[in-house]
Formats: sequence, C-alpha cells, structure tokens
Amino acid sequence: QLQLQESGPGLVKPSETLSLTCTVSGGSISSSSYYWGWIRQPPGKGLEWIGSIYYSGSTYYNPSLKSRVTISVDTSKNQFSLKLSSVTAADTAVYYCARQSRARGGPNWFDPWGQGTLVTVSS
Amino acid sequence: QSVLTQPPSVSGAPGQRVTISCTGSSSNIGAGYDVHWYQQLPGTAPKLLIYGNSNRPSGVPDRFSGSKSGTSASLAISGLQAEDEADYYCQSYDSSLSGSVVFGGGTKLTVL
Repeated sequence: QLQLQESGPGLVKPSETLSLTCTVSGGSISSSSYYWGWIRQPPGKGLEWIGSIYYSGSTYYNPSLKSRVTISVDTSKNQFSLKLSSVTAADTAVYYCARQSRARGGPNWFDPWGQGTLVTVSS
Repeated sequence: QSVLTQPPSVSGAPGQRVTISCTGSSSNIGAGYDVHWYQQLPGTAPKLLIYGNSNRPSGVPDRFSGSKSGTSASLAISGLQAEDEADYYCQSYDSSLSGSVVFGGGTKLTVL
C-alpha cells in the first residue's frame, strides 16, 4: 500500500525559503504512470495546487506561484521536494504531497495523499 | 475566486439525496477535461471519492456518484449518513495560463 509522508520545519520566517520533503513508501517514485504533486490548504480555506513533477524531473507549476516554486525529485531516495521562496504570512498552510495519475498521458487525480504538515510563516 | 465554482454549503437529512455542483468554463470542464471529487473529513487529508467524472475508487460506497455535462459537473450523495458530513472539492485541469490543475472552492455538507 503506497504511503506518502511530508517532513520539514513547521515554522519559517518571512522572506525565507520554505523547504519540505515527501517520502514515498510501498511503491516506486519512478513509475511512468504517475506525477507527484504538492497541494496546500490555508487554515479554514480551500485547496490550492502548487505544482507537480514526473520522475524524469519534468515539472509544471501553478502559474500564480511559479516564480517562487521549485519542485525536485530524488529517485534514489524515493523522495520529492518543495521549495517556496520569499514566503509571507499568506503562505501559512497545511502542505500535502500526493501521487497524481497520468491516465491518458495527462495530469489527473491525486491519490493517495500524505497526512499533511502545517507550516507557519512568522517571525 | 476559484476557477471552479461550488456552493459554499449544502445540507440534508439522513437518508436524503443531495447534489453538489461544480461549474467551470470552456477552458477547463467545457474543454473536455475530466472532473475528480474529494472528501475531506474534519482534521484529515482529502480522500479521492470520484475520478474521471463518474468512477468510484475501490472502497467508496455506491451512494456516491458523479456526472459531467457541458461546463459543469455534479456529485450526488444518496442515502445520506451522519459520517458523510465533510468538505467536498472538485478538481480539473485548466488549459489557460500555461495549464494548471484547478480546485473548486469546496462545499461543506451538513447532515441535519
């Protein structure tokens, strides 16, 4: 059974870079059938897709966050990572990682999801 | 403002049927991109409920069903149960602005 687990600092200072890692267990991140994505949810608000990566390193990002986001993959560790630069209080959210289906060759649904990790941006 | 529009809340009594709409445009649902639905119970991560407009993953009760027509999609829940009280989100893909995964704003289902 595939499982994903987010890890990283729970507190980040304004203007600094948020860094999170998602460790995949129970399956290979190198599968050609999936992308691997990051989604966030500010407290009390809805879901926002951040970006996704293919095991080859190909990425696509939310246009509204693209200038600040970098997603990378380490197939040897079965992990993928998120970096979000120049953070502000508006970036405070629960950050989820998830596997994304490549059905019919395109980006599709997310399943399963990690449990999520709360990142607070505050000095 | 979400690209996909959902009603903020819906409610129903146990045993009743409710529907949640997800309205998009010609650059997402209307362009033929599939719609997927998630259930988020309080304090937990979202869980896939419907994929590819109308398909249920293994383990999801057949009380949950999805449909799509034109620029909109709907999630129907029949035989409402107390444990269905949750937030529900639709998701699709939008081909404008270099392409992007998009979510609806979410709908809070209250079981009366």
